[in-house]
Amino acid sequence: KAGVTQTPRYLIKTRGQQVTLSCSPISGHRSVSWYQQTPGQGLQFLFEYFSETQRNKGNFPGRFSGRQFSNSRSEMNVSTLELGDSALYLCASSYRGGNTGELFFGEGSRLTVL
Amino acid sequence: TQLLEQSPQFLSIQEGENLTVYCNSSSVFSSLQWYRQEPGEGPVLLVTVVTGGEVKKLKRLTFQFGDARKDSSLHITAAQPGDTGLYLCAETNAGGTSYGKLTFGQGTILTVHP
Repeated sequence: KAGVTQTPRYLIKTRGQQVTLSCSPISGHRSVSWYQQTPGQGLQFLFEYFSETQRNKGNFPGRFSGRQFSNSRSEMNVSTLELGDSALYLCASSYRGGNTGELFFGEGSRLTVL
Repeated sequence: TQLLEQSPQFLSIQEGENLTVYCNSSSVFSSLQWYRQEPGEGPVLLVTVVTGGEVKKLKRLTFQFGDARKDSSLHITAAQPGDTGLYLCAETNAGGTSYGKLTFGQGTILTVHP
């Protein structure tokens, strides 16, 4: 079956702009999580959605937001971009988002902020 | 917040050599997962260990979970260039409010030279 699809794969923005990233989970998966990956901080959890509800949120400022649609597709938005937001943003899906279940990651969206 | 320490950060070896990567925590893991991430891709789950003292094998990879569930190791026998990648340990937080959230170690970058 098709894997997790993230778009766009690469994008360049300037400080102060906003960006929206999209994630289509594996068919049948209802949980979508988002992670930020940087060389300095590694992989850090942003938030998780299940059936259109945010169930869990990491320690990121309010500029980072997300949502999930009825078809389980998810978007995340970063407003007022800062240089430090340059990172690989990874989306992961799972059937239930359970704590010992497998997360299936997409290839990521690489954001560069100039 | 659970802190996971991985060592070494970098490992560069020749094909055919053996290696071990470590993942340690100051607290008890509820359960632990190992992922491998190749350049341009998202992490892929290798194994989940749950029980203290557990040993799992995946072809040339052997995963151990410490008796006290505060440490884990990944041993690769006769490494091959295809093993090159970033190896990540991640704790799957227990509890009803930890959906989709993994706490990752900083990772070990493994390079296997032909």
